[in-house]
Amino acid sequence: GAVVSQHPSRVICKSGTSVKIECRSLDFQATTMFWYRQFPKQSLMLMATSNEGSKATYEQGVEKDKFLINHASLTLSTLTVTSAHPEDSSFYICSALGQGIVYEQYFGPGTRLTVT
Amino acid sequence: KQEVTQIPAALSVPEGENLVLNCSFTDSAIYNLQWFRQDPGKGLTSLLLIQSSQREQTSGRLNASLDKSSGRSTLYIAASQPGDSATYLCAVQGAQKLVFGQGTRLTINP
Repeated sequence: GAVVSQHPSRVICKSGTSVKIECRSLDFQATTMFWYRQFPKQSLMLMATSNEGSKATYEQGVEKDKFLINHASLTLSTLTVTSAHPEDSSFYICSALGQGIVYEQYFGPGTRLTVT
Repeated sequence: KQEVTQIPAALSVPEGENLVLNCSFTDSAIYNLQWFRQDPGKGLTSLLLIQSSQREQTSGRLNASLDKSSGRSTLYIAASQPGDSATYLCAVQGAQKLVFGQGTRLTINP
């Protein structure tokens, strides 16, 4: 149980274009999902917290107009990187908050974004 | 602001040795602490989760301890194997978010 998927696993896009990454909780409903970014040889940094049916909460320094987050259903959150630039190239990982009594996040396998 | 530190940053040991990875955190007001494994270019694999009321958790050759009052956790790996080579991340769940350490890059030499 508690499986989270991400699509696509890898994406290459040209500078200036937009790319959408999907995060799905496959066997549970998730009112809260999280988006993280990981640069090479660095740890995960929280970008934003996504709550179903409401606006996402962004961490300090993360541009909300550049990283659009939509959590339209209890099983799907999307991250759209708008007008991507090479410096946006990174590993993006989502997680979903489980429904049990233990406050635990379940992580997706990540999406490798390369902007050329 | 919660800060999580992992020591050492990298560790290389011969196969078969027992080893300990360390994690410290600055704010003891946590819900739980989790240890993850990450292979190069891959996502996270959850290894152990210790709730704030617990002292330790065990899974196979892995044992994680938590001393909330001192802000410390250790991950003990027994009888290490080359397949244990990976980066190990410690993460602390607070009221607002999960904060990760920088990780320990572990290499087990055959």
